[in-house]
Amino acid sequence: RKEVEQDPGPFNVPEGATVAFNCTYSNSASQSFFWYRQDCRKEPKLLMSVYSSGNEDGRFTAQLNRASQYISLLIRDSKLSDSATYLCVVNTNAGKSTFGDGTTLTVKP
Amino acid sequence: GAGVSQSPSNKVTEKGKDVELRCDPISGHTALYWYRQRLGQGLEFLIYFQGNSAPDKSGLPSDRFSAERTGESVSTLTIQRTQQEDSAVYLCASSLGGLSPYEQYFGPGTRLTVT
Repeated sequence: RKEVEQDPGPFNVPEGATVAFNCTYSNSASQSFFWYRQDCRKEPKLLMSVYSSGNEDGRFTAQLNRASQYISLLIRDSKLSDSATYLCVVNTNAGKSTFGDGTTLTVKP
Repeated sequence: GAGVSQSPSNKVTEKGKDVELRCDPISGHTALYWYRQRLGQGLEFLIYFQGNSAPDKSGLPSDRFSAERTGESVSTLTIQRTQQEDSAVYLCASSLGGLSPYEQYFGPGTRLTVT
């Protein structure tokens, strides 16, 4: 079993749709959590950190459930420019990062 | 300011040759990571440097792979006796500190093709 697992995808949604991605992690000692975005043939870039109380950044909402060891990302009112691969990232307290394999989102007109 | 830079951007090499990939992190970043990403796949952790601590080499796939870092600056990833399965994009990232939830900034990667 992988340390970090994500929805396999791909997700194909129309503009304006709401879409949610889930990510589960196996290491209960994990300390910090992130969502990164990776465009085709580009390097990953931070989308948002994930806080225990949940956090929102515009159309994006991230939530963490430590008891069930999962993280979610909700995107509201999808835009064409949201098309990308979304990577879930989990850090241990030793600083090592483990990336999920990513979920591909395509937003269509 | 300058971001993470990597060189070369592309490298084509023959099977069996050694290659050296370079990463220049953002100045002041004490943590540096190397990842491998095969076509259509996720990021695979290779090695992690944090300040002067011993590096976490747990992700290196074989003894053909090694990496060094000079202080808190440049890092080189060396692959000896390259194999076709080593073909991938090698990404380097740096962050302010490994023990805090700081953002990782990625370089553009080195695309390695082993023929």
